[in-house]
Amino acid sequence: SQQGEEDPQALSIQEGENATMNCSYKTSINNLQWYRQNSGRGLVHLILIRSNEREKHSGRLRVTLDTSKKSSSLLITASRAADTASYFCATAGSYQLTFGKGTKLSVIP
Amino acid sequence: EPEVTQTPSHQVTQMGQEVILRCVPISNHLYFYWYRQILGQKVEFLVSFYNNEISEKSEIFDDQFSVERPDGSNFTLKIRSTKLEDSAMYFCASGRDSSYRGNQPQHFGDGTRLSIL
Repeated sequence: SQQGEEDPQALSIQEGENATMNCSYKTSINNLQWYRQNSGRGLVHLILIRSNEREKHSGRLRVTLDTSKKSSSLLITASRAADTASYFCATAGSYQLTFGKGTKLSVIP
Repeated sequence: EPEVTQTPSHQVTQMGQEVILRCVPISNHLYFYWYRQILGQKVEFLVSFYNNEISEKSEIFDDQFSVERPDGSNFTLKIRSTKLEDSAMYFCASGRDSSYRGNQPQHFGDGTRLSIL
């Protein structure tokens, strides 16, 4: 299975702090994606990192990928209350995306 | 920004009844997917669809499930005889390009909450 698993399962921080979430996966990948899910809503694509990339930035998001350790991290800098959501990494062996259980991030104003 | 839209937002159905969940993918997208999320669990892949054919399906997608693109805009998931364990959020997703091995993002709708009584 390609399954990614995130940790921690839950993270609570103050507004303005940075949040780091980690993802581990089992088999080799070509790409890894991160998604956000607000409560009761669908998943929103955040960032895609390819296996030949080590780091990628998008606004306040920074994603790293270590293929030797089969792990990725998502850093959200200067967090805001609106960042409160669940965050998932996703990998794909074929057409299907395989999601982990996610990290539930709470940003306290 | 274009969105994937799903209807209804909540569907309540008696066990054994047929249910059809509807999705309107983003208009220039060619690749379509269904996922489900049982409460408190992971998002699970059901099926992918391209060029009027299923390109991949999971073990969950058994003979009780079917998908159809009846016209140029809708993409539907039918469950023939619903079971209690079919209760979940069902998400439709679409992509302009193939997301083989995750090389392109998928765009998700807000889901249909299916409750089987």
